[in-house]
Amino acid sequence: RKEVEQDPGPFNVPEGATVAFNCTYSNSASQSFFWYRQDCRKEPKLLMSVYSSGNEDGRFTAQLNRASQYISLLIRDSKLSDSATYLCVVWVTGRRALTFGSGTRLQVQP
Amino acid sequence: DTEVTQTPKHLVMGMTNKKSLKCEQHMGHRAMYWYKQKAKKPPELMFVYSYEKLSINESVPSRFSPECPNSSLLNLHLHALQPEDSALYLCASSQTSEATGYTQYFGPGTRLTVL
Repeated sequence: RKEVEQDPGPFNVPEGATVAFNCTYSNSASQSFFWYRQDCRKEPKLLMSVYSSGNEDGRFTAQLNRASQYISLLIRDSKLSDSATYLCVVWVTGRRALTFGSGTRLQVQP
Repeated sequence: DTEVTQTPKHLVMGMTNKKSLKCEQHMGHRAMYWYKQKAKKPPELMFVYSYEKLSINESVPSRFSPECPNSSLLNLHLHALQPEDSALYLCASSQTSEATGYTQYFGPGTRLTVL
């Protein structure tokens, strides 16, 4: 079983739609959680950190459920520019490195 | 400023060549990383430097040799590579303090082609 699992997609949604991505992690020692966005042939860029209380940044909302070892990302009012691969990333205590999910590809269509 | 720079952007090399990839950050980060990324796959960790010392080597073949000359610079020396080593090589940096959550900032990468 992979340490961080994501639905690979692709998710094809129309502009203006709301889309949700899910991610599960297997190591209960996971301590910090992130969503990164990666455009085609570009580097990953931090979208947002994920906090236990949930957090929101504009159209993006991230949730963490430690009991279920589950992380989600909600994108409201999708824009064409949101088309990218979204990487769920976890820091495991003592591992000293991030663990990446395989990414979920989003394609927003006009 | 959350910028990590990498040079060159693109590199084509033969299997007998020796080349180096360079990475630089001026954010005062004390941890720096090399990742390899193949198409449609997530980044795969290669090396971690913490306070200029190698702390993780993910069983990377010796034809890849990392070097951290100082806290701002990270190099990856390449020698006798194979065509399957062709990939995007990403450098990243982060604070090592737990309070900052280990957020990593990535450079734009070097796209390497081995002929």
